[in-house]
Amino acid sequence: GENVEQHPSTLSVQEGDSAVIKCTYSDSASNYFPWYKQELGKGPQLIIDIRSNVGEKKDQRIAVTLNKTAKHFSLHITETQPEDSAVYFCAANVGGSSNTGKLIFGQGTTLQVKP
Amino acid sequence: NAGVMQNPRHLVRRRGQEARLRCSPMKGHSHVYWYRQLPEEGLKFMVYLQKENIIDESGMPKERFSAEFPKEGPSILRIQQVVRGDSAAYFCASNPPGANVLTFGAGSRLTVL
Repeated sequence: GENVEQHPSTLSVQEGDSAVIKCTYSDSASNYFPWYKQELGKGPQLIIDIRSNVGEKKDQRIAVTLNKTAKHFSLHITETQPEDSAVYFCAANVGGSSNTGKLIFGQGTTLQVKP
Repeated sequence: NAGVMQNPRHLVRRRGQEARLRCSPMKGHSHVYWYRQLPEEGLKFMVYLQKENIIDESGMPKERFSAEFPKEGPSILRIQQVVRGDSAAYFCASNPPGANVLTFGAGSRLTVL
C-alpha cells in the first residue's frame, strides 16, 4: 500500500542553526505534500505545503523542496528558534486527487532547538 | 471563525464501554475527516464524510467503529465495546470543497482503563 517514510525521527540543533527533515513517498499519483507542526497536547497545524507542479516553495524561514522523479521532499527551517521545537509531520495525498484530504503521514520528527 | 471544534478533549472509558467523539467542521467546510494517532506515531486516516454520506471508510476497523455526519449537528465517531488498544488521540479535520488543505481540531484523547 501507499507509504511515507520520514527521517530523522529526532533532531537536535542549536538555536540559529538550520534543520532539515526528509520524506519519501511511494504513490506515484500523489501531487500534494503538506507539512504539519504538532505541539504537545495540540492538533497538527499546517505550516507549508507544495504541489507537484513546483519544485520549491518558501515562506520566511521555512522552505520545502520536491523531487518528483525521486519521490522525495524535504522541509528546511533556517535560523531556528526555541519555539520551533515540536513534532513535524510530512504527508502526501492518496491517489493524486485534487480535492480530498485523505493523506498518508510520515512517522514524525521531534525537533529540539537548544537555546 | 472558531476553527474545527472537537469534544470532549479527554475521555476515559473502561473496557467494554462506548466512546462517542464529536466534531464540528470549520464554517463553510462540508467535508470531515477522522484520523487516529497512537502514542509516538503519525496520524492514520480512518474515514471521510460529507453531510449524510460516508465517502471513504477504508481506514476504519471493520468492527466496533462507526462514523456519521448528519444533516444537522456535528460528526460523531463512535467506538463500541472499547478495548485498551483503542487508547489514542482522535483528530478531526475539515476542508472546503475542491481543496486538499486540511485544518485539524485539537483532538480527543481517549484513555481506556
